[in-house]
Amino acid sequence: ETGVTQSPTHLIKTRGQQVTLRCSSQSGHNTVSWYQQALGQGPQFIFQYYREEENGRGNFPPRFSGLQFPNYSSELNVNALELDDSALYLCASSSYRQGGEQYFGPGTRLTVT
Amino acid sequence: AQSVTQLGSHVSVSEGALVLLRCNYSSSVPPYLFWYVQYPNQGLQLLLKYTSAATLVKGINGFEAEFKKSETSFHLTKPSAHMSDAAEYFCAVNRGTGGFKTIFGAGTRLFVKA
Repeated sequence: ETGVTQSPTHLIKTRGQQVTLRCSSQSGHNTVSWYQQALGQGPQFIFQYYREEENGRGNFPPRFSGLQFPNYSSELNVNALELDDSALYLCASSSYRQGGEQYFGPGTRLTVT
Repeated sequence: AQSVTQLGSHVSVSEGALVLLRCNYSSSVPPYLFWYVQYPNQGLQLLLKYTSAATLVKGINGFEAEFKKSETSFHLTKPSAHMSDAAEYFCAVNRGTGGFKTIFGAGTRLFVKA
């Protein structure tokens, strides 16, 4: 069974640029959620994708957007990067109709300068 | 609305001592509760989950947690700490549905002294 993978591992961008982060979900899972984890804090829910559609989002602006593909992999796009976007971005895969447990990837560390 | 409070941002124990990490939750519906562990520069690993079955939940690496509805608590314990348990621990709550809008606590850093 293949676990959740994310790419790239690390990324450095300049304020105002755009970034795309990628996630491959665990085999058998149809749902992907994205989280932002700032240094020293717990993860914050960004949004969830189910059956290639956004299922709802947390308190993040529209410049955070995403996609889910037919193979259930997913992308997180962030436009007009701000310094406060510097964080660890975590992808979690799950099965929508099972009890809420999620399996996390290793994360992408984004630094905005 | 749901929320999670982890009491104590840092906990220090001696190797072999009891580990107790505290978590209190708030939820207007029956919650699904989780504990995750995070090692430095890594993602989160699921330790255990409560999904309305047995109130005492056993997880990996010798950890367990007890769901107490009257106290709205879900504390994590391990009888004997090991050096390898040193990590950040997060309590989380959601309503199922693939983990939609999971709320995480702020985390508790566990230190284990030799």
